Amino acid sequence: ETGVTQSPTHLIKTRGQQVTLRCSSQSGHNTVSWYQQALGQGPQFIFQYYREEENGRGNFPPRFSGLQFPNYSSELNVNALELDDSALYLCASSPSGDRDEKLFFGSGTQLSVL
Amino acid sequence: GEDVEQSLFLSVREGDSSVINCTYTDSSSTYLYWYKQEPGAGLQLLTYIFSNMDMKQDQRLTVLLNKKDKHLSLRIADTQTGDSAIYFCAEKNTGGFKTIFGAGTRLFVKA
Repeated sequence: ETGVTQSPTHLIKTRGQQVTLRCSSQSGHNTVSWYQQALGQGPQFIFQYYREEENGRGNFPPRFSGLQFPNYSSELNVNALELDDSALYLCASSPSGDRDEKLFFGSGTQLSVL
Repeated sequence: GEDVEQSLFLSVREGDSSVINCTYTDSSSTYLYWYKQEPGAGLQLLTYIFSNMDMKQDQRLTVLLNKKDKHLSLRIADTQTGDSAIYFCAEKNTGGFKTIFGAGTRLFVKA
């Protein structure tokens, strides 16, 4: 069983640029959530995708957007990067119908905005 | 509102028990979780408890839930150096779409 994989592992961008982060969900999982983890903080919910539709969104501006594909993989896009966007971006998948609603995380993409 | 709070740091000696505490504010929380994060890695689910339970034991891990006080704790018996990591408390409502995490407790185990 393949776990959640994210790419790239590290990325350096400059302010104002755009970035796309990718996530492959664990086999059999059709729900993908994205989280932002700033240094020394807990993960903050960005949004969730289920059946290629955004299923819920946290307190992030519209320049954070996403996609989910028919194979359940997902992308996170961030436009007009700001210095405060520097963080670890975590993707988590979960199976629909999982009563306990557990999250299975990838290792994350470390984004640095200069 | 939804908020999860944890103490930031805990240091124990190898072989001792560790107790990590957490409080949450959302009285409709249905699931309460403990996740572990090692350096350079994502979060790994350790254990979880449903809100109608008050205790769950899983090998060296014991979770206690006081729903009246909205207090959750994780006890690690016979703590090892490999247990050194950040431990996150988290909560979720049934049918909700997001899991709310605390800021994490950094556990340091001295040999």
